[in-house]
Amino acid sequence: DVKVTQSSRYLVKRTGEKVFLECVQDMDHENMFWYRQDPGLGLRLIYFSYDVKMKEKGDIPEGYSVSREKKERFSLILESASTNQTSMYLCASRPGQGIPNYGYTFGSGTRLTVV
Amino acid sequence: DAKTTQPPSMDCAEGRAANLPCNHSTISGNEYVYWYRQIHSQGPQYIIHGLKNNETNEMASLIITEDRKSSTLILPHATLRDTAVYYCIVRVAGGTSYGKLTFGQGTILTVHP
Repeated sequence: DVKVTQSSRYLVKRTGEKVFLECVQDMDHENMFWYRQDPGLGLRLIYFSYDVKMKEKGDIPEGYSVSREKKERFSLILESASTNQTSMYLCASRPGQGIPNYGYTFGSGTRLTVV
Repeated sequence: DAKTTQPPSMDCAEGRAANLPCNHSTISGNEYVYWYRQIHSQGPQYIIHGLKNNETNEMASLIITEDRKSSTLILPHATLRDTAVYYCIVRVAGGTSYGKLTFGQGTILTVHP
């Protein structure tokens, strides 16, 4: 089974802190994604990466950056955490374009609270 | 991506089949039907997908009508652990919009003892 592992299940950070959310997948997937999920707003795409060192902005990239130095690891960075970034953060991965699309595999999520 | 319509909630008795409907009347010829579920406080879990033929895997069956305007996800023997929000998503497999998964409100399935 593909596993997508997010480093923390729950995090509490202070306003202004730099926050790192780590995600690792073990099935050699090319594509990795960061979403946030908020009540009533569904899943919103923050950033995605289709290859090592490649990144693309999603729908709500402001206040975030990402890093993909290795294929299996995709990090989300909150440059200066704010209370409106309190949310559930979900990492996902999937095979590249040339492979039959078996769907996205999601991690268990990181519930971040910024105080 | 085509819009989907699902009932907001459904109940099912444990051990019985759960049939979750989804309408996608504006589906295009190259769009697949995907089903995911999300158990409380966990990430979404991929269940199954199909284009026009019925599909079955170890988790569920997917029945797509001949005109592809609706589909039904079937959990043949629901258990309490199947209580979750079920999302039906219609999208092109791959393509330039990949990554932009749009989850609607889904159907809250509650399985009762």
